[in-house]
Amino acid sequence: GENVEQHPSTLSVQEGDSAVIKCTYSDSASNYFPWYKQELGKGPQLIIDIRSNVGEKKDQRIAVTLNKTAKHFSLHITETQPEDSAVYFCAASGSARQLTFGSGTQLTVLP
Amino acid sequence: EPEVTQTPSHQVTQMGQEVILRCVPISNHLYFYWYRQILGQKVEFLVSFYNNEISEKSEIFDDQFSVERPDGSNFTLKIRSTKLEDSAMYFCASKRTGGGDQPQHFGDGTRLSIL
Repeated sequence: GENVEQHPSTLSVQEGDSAVIKCTYSDSASNYFPWYKQELGKGPQLIIDIRSNVGEKKDQRIAVTLNKTAKHFSLHITETQPEDSAVYFCAASGSARQLTFGSGTQLTVLP
Repeated sequence: EPEVTQTPSHQVTQMGQEVILRCVPISNHLYFYWYRQILGQKVEFLVSFYNNEISEKSEIFDDQFSVERPDGSNFTLKIRSTKLEDSAMYFCASKRTGGGDQPQHFGDGTRLSIL
């Protein structure tokens, strides 16, 4: 089955700096890669997703890149703000339609 | 914006008892999921449900677990003979269509504590 690895497990950045979180996946049939933000006491909230026919997608300060050949995808947050502090999860799905999640990254934005 | 709602937010149960976790998916969604997150670990897939039957399930989803859509709005997860290791956050998710590239929307979860 699919296996998703996520790095780093914790990330601290200064407010205004950029943050990058990276994930790799194992199943070449996976074709959908969402990113979720989880705040304390809440469920995962979809923030951006990318499909395998696209190499990059951007939504304001958030962007995701996908390298199908290398089987990795990354989340980029620019101009970070304290409210960006949360746990971020990458995930993948494809032939098996359920999501396989990475282990999460605790992002802390320092004021 | 429509959302997935889960009740209760926290359930405390004695080991060996049965629990039912409830979810109300987004109203025009047709595909429903349960996931589990043990403290400090990954979110893990349990089961998917479509057209009143299980479409996929993981190794975790054994005979102890069952799911049901008892009416047009609720989707439930029943855990029989609970064990200490069933303590976790349980998340319900739903999506509108069945493609593997369609977004799933999650509820805020039920924290299950087995004593």
